[in-house]
Amino acid sequence: EAGVTQFPSHSVIEKGQTVTLRCDPISGHDNLYWYRRVMGKEIKFLLHFVKESKQDESGMPNNRFLAERTGGTYSTLKVQPAELEDSGVYFCASSLGAGTIQETQYFGPGTRLLVL
Amino acid sequence: GENVEQHPSTLSVQEGDSAVIKCTYSDSASNYFPWYKQELGKRPQLIIDIRSNVGEKKDQRIAVTLNKTAKHFSLHITETQPEDSAVYFCAASSLNQAGTALIFGKGTTLSVSS
Repeated sequence: EAGVTQFPSHSVIEKGQTVTLRCDPISGHDNLYWYRRVMGKEIKFLLHFVKESKQDESGMPNNRFLAERTGGTYSTLKVQPAELEDSGVYFCASSLGAGTIQETQYFGPGTRLLVL
Repeated sequence: GENVEQHPSTLSVQEGDSAVIKCTYSDSASNYFPWYKQELGKRPQLIIDIRSNVGEKKDQRIAVTLNKTAKHFSLHITETQPEDSAVYFCAASSLNQAGTALIFGKGTTLSVSS
């Protein structure tokens, strides 16, 4: 079974530019999460989709970040315009969505974003 | 909201020794506590988890203990091997109807020297 995949693996952009990150969850997983780890700090929650709906976006830092999951399959996270503090590793995770117990979240390899 | 503290931030042990990583959490509603291992350049992978109705869980050389009263949980690795070297993250979450976010600690970098 293919795991969670993310694209690109690395991105280096200049401040003010736009970057779009993509996540493909494990097939059949309804729950999709975005997290971010800034250097040396904890992995922080950004938002959570259930199928195509945003269930919880309380971790999104500001309105420069826009996440979508059209059709309830893959998800994109756009940063526009990027700022220096947006640098970090962006992880995507997915879980099945059986609903009654907390399930394992499977992580992707992450996208390493560097804003210069 | 939930806050998870993790200690130590770095841990160096000799091969064959035991390693213990401790985490505390603040939200008494948290009921699920996974541990993830992230090797250099790889994705975080779940190594063990525990739910609030259990005090201890073991899987070969790895064990996790949970003290709900004190709101802390710990990862124990026995007979450490060089391949145990990685960053370990603890996390906490509480169940809601449709899944929920994991709140992570800052990570512990474990180095096992042979």
